Order: sequence, then structure tokens, then C-alpha cells
Amino acid sequence: NAGVTQTPKFQVLKTGQSMTLQCAQDMNHEYMSWYRQDPGMGLRLIHYSVGAGITDQGEVPNGYNVSRSTTEDFPLRLLSAAPSQTSVYFCASSFATGSHEQYFGPGTRLTVT
Amino acid sequence: AQKITQTQPGMFVQEKEAVTLDCTYDTSDQSYGLFWYKQPSSGEMIFLIYQGSYDEQNATEGRYSLNFQKARKSANLVISASQLGDSAMYFCAMREEIVNKLVFGAGTILRVKS
Repeated sequence: NAGVTQTPKFQVLKTGQSMTLQCAQDMNHEYMSWYRQDPGMGLRLIHYSVGAGITDQGEVPNGYNVSRSTTEDFPLRLLSAAPSQTSVYFCASSFATGSHEQYFGPGTRLTVT
Repeated sequence: AQKITQTQPGMFVQEKEAVTLDCTYDTSDQSYGLFWYKQPSSGEMIFLIYQGSYDEQNATEGRYSLNFQKARKSANLVISASQLGDSAMYFCAMREEIVNKLVFGAGTILRVKS
């Protein structure tokens, strides 16, 4: 099992560019989510999904899109990058919504200039 | 309103001593779960311990225990016999069944001194 994988590990974007952060898990988890981590603010939920074809917004969804066409993949799209989106992004998954543990990916460090 | 409050931005503890990291939460949901995660300087998020709102006993996992006081809405993490490798950022988090989202506190940096 690779667990939760994220690509890329690092990315630098110019303001206005778009990109997709990839997240995949091979544990057949139903629940997947995206967080951003900013200094002094902990992790904030961007979007989440309780299963293939179902997504919902978290605390800070603006500027981001997600889709869940398969159980394994949950990509996060930045539509038009802004400096305020400079952050570390974590993808996480768990077996079910009430599951005790979320498994986190290694993170993607994104800088928008 | 803050759902999860961690009032200690940073803590120091002497090696081999116990330390308590504070966490208070705010919810009107009856069914919820409380989590603690460790984030070392390498950046990964490591799950430590879980407490369900209906669990009568405090959760324990090795050197970690969760001091759950439901009436006070607190879920403090106790680390016994601190080790140098415990130096990290620690996050408290809560998942409410109704909203089905995991919400994190701002974290506490723990430094273990030799």
C-alpha cells in the first residue's frame, strides 16, 4: 500500500495561472478531503468528498474546485492562482465518515508569486 | 466562533517528564469525535489518539492519553515520559457527526529539553 500520495511536492506558480494538485489513495477509502495549512492557523478544510461523485465545501472553498470521479482520486484545482493561496496543501482519506483516523498525504508546498 | 482552541502556542518540557497540551472545543452536537495529531519538522501529519463523545473511558495509546472532560468541553493530551523525538507541533481536532467535517485548532509547539 502506498497510502495517500500527493503530487507535486513543490510548485511555484505565477498569479493567474491554474493548476491541479493530485491526490490518490489505494486503501479503498470512501472519505477524502483537502486542507491548507498556514502558519498560526492550523489546517483548514477546503473541500471534501464522502464517496465517488459526491463533493462538498469546507471552510475555505473559494478559488478551488474538486471532483471525485473515482474512489481513488481526488484532485484539487486552482482556477486562477493568487498569492493568498501560497500554503501547504494536505490531502487526507479515511475508510468512512465516522472513521477514527484520517490518513494524510505528505503535502504539497505551493508558492504563488 | 472558534470550534477548537489550543491556548498554548508553545510548551517546553524536560525529557522523561509528563506534559499536558490543552484543547477546548465548542459544539452543540451530541455525537462527535476528538483527535490529536503530531506534526514533526518533516511536515507529515501523524495520528496519535481518538476519543468519541460517547466513550466513557479516557483514550490511551502507549505514552499518549486523552483527558476527556465532557462537561468542560476539554480534551487535553497527556504525554508521559517525554522523549526528544516528541518535539513537534501538536494539533487537536474535532469531527461533528452532523456537519461531518474535521476542524483543527491552531496547534501547540512542544520542545523537549535534554
